[in-house]
Amino acid sequence: DVKVTQSSRYLVKRTGEKVFLECVQDMDHENMFWYRQDPGLGLRLIYFSYDVKMKEKGDIPEGYSVSREKKERFSLILESASTNQTSMYLCASSDTSGYTFGSGTRLTVV
Amino acid sequence: DQQVKQNSPSLSVQEGRISILNCDYTNSMFDYFLWYKKYPAEGPTFLISISSIKDKNEDGRFTVFLNKSAKHLSLHIVPSQPGDSAVYFCAASRLNYGGSQGNLIFGKGTKLSVKP
Repeated sequence: DVKVTQSSRYLVKRTGEKVFLECVQDMDHENMFWYRQDPGLGLRLIYFSYDVKMKEKGDIPEGYSVSREKKERFSLILESASTNQTSMYLCASSDTSGYTFGSGTRLTVV
Repeated sequence: DQQVKQNSPSLSVQEGRISILNCDYTNSMFDYFLWYKKYPAEGPTFLISISSIKDKNEDGRFTVFLNKSAKHLSLHIVPSQPGDSAVYFCAASRLNYGGSQGNLIFGKGTKLSVKP
């Protein structure tokens, strides 16, 4: 069964911490994405990658960076976590057959 | 500027009745449209899609209608069941050369509650 795995379901971090959110897919997909979901705002694209070591900014990249050293892994980095980054973070990968999402990481920044 | 709009944040329907979720888009270059369903604490799951060459696509209880001239699509669920209670996201994209989807642009979602 096709899978996108996000390493943590729930995470609590302190303001100013550097936070790593990990995502691994086992489908050999070229494309990977990071979204955040907030009530009333839907899913907003943070960053995406079409290939290893390649990254593109989405709609809301400020305060985030990403790393794609291997095809199967796409990491989202919060350089200095802030309370307004408290959110549900969703990773996805895609190919011609469509998108597959991970289960999400609920991040709370205190 | 929102390219994909779901103007109803919530919808409540009685079990057995029809649920109609609406979505409008502004970018006429979109040629592929999808609906995703999301339960709390889970990732969105693909429900149904339609390409711009069609005006209707049906899969069991779920039917998506596309009106290109109005830049409007809708998802019909008949009959609605309590297990359908979830947030539904409309999404749109352009198909790339080779048929792969471009980036998905999501609406804000509509929370459907189906009451027994």
